[in-house]
Amino acid sequence: GESVGLHLPTLSVQEGDNSIINCAYSNSASDYFIWYKQESGKGPQFIIDIRSNMDKRQGQRVTVLLNKTVKHLSLQIAATQPGDSAVYFCAENHRGSQGNLIFGKGTKLSVKP
Amino acid sequence: DAGITQSPRHKVTETGTPVTLRCHQTENHRYMYWYRQDPGHGLRLIHYSYGVKDTDKGEVSDGYSVSRSKTEDFLLTLESATSSQTSVYFCAISLKEDNSPLHFGNGTRLTVT
Repeated sequence: GESVGLHLPTLSVQEGDNSIINCAYSNSASDYFIWYKQESGKGPQFIIDIRSNMDKRQGQRVTVLLNKTVKHLSLQIAATQPGDSAVYFCAENHRGSQGNLIFGKGTKLSVKP
Repeated sequence: DAGITQSPRHKVTETGTPVTLRCHQTENHRYMYWYRQDPGHGLRLIHYSYGVKDTDKGEVSDGYSVSRSKTEDFLLTLESATSSQTSVYFCAISLKEDNSPLHFGNGTRLTVT
């Protein structure tokens, strides 16, 4: 069953290509950012995070870039696979907010075999 | 799923009836959260807890109450369900207060008729 909504921005890529998913955040006090992946019928799954004292962080096949000047976050997925098809959310947090994350609306990634 | 179990997974109820959703964690984390997810709105925080009997309101707390009498259980109650509370509800846990990712359960799909 669907757990994510209609009218999401959609990114369609060919299997094996690189994907870039973008996110604009709103709060200049935010100092911690996370990317989540959500598959249909499941909860959001943590992918990678980055603190505001960094501008780039790499994981396995994923890279997160942070541009604090323009309040922009991006997630790059290398060699995209069909299993990467999902909705991707960015989330932001700032110190003192007791861990409350503010989520973006999400981007649906569709991978064509 | 980071040791999080949500119950029930699906529920249909009538307007005006009380409903309680349960979140159970096995890892003794201090921080627990309830979010709802709706098309066009993404994930929004309802209530959260920073310890036994310590809870606070989130962005969309009206019509909801919570209780945490044990570390492992966080209950969300709709005192008198309304159709606007039809949603998917996610519980999450966090290791620490700030700069730590939330880990989510697989959700409860609630339909209020």
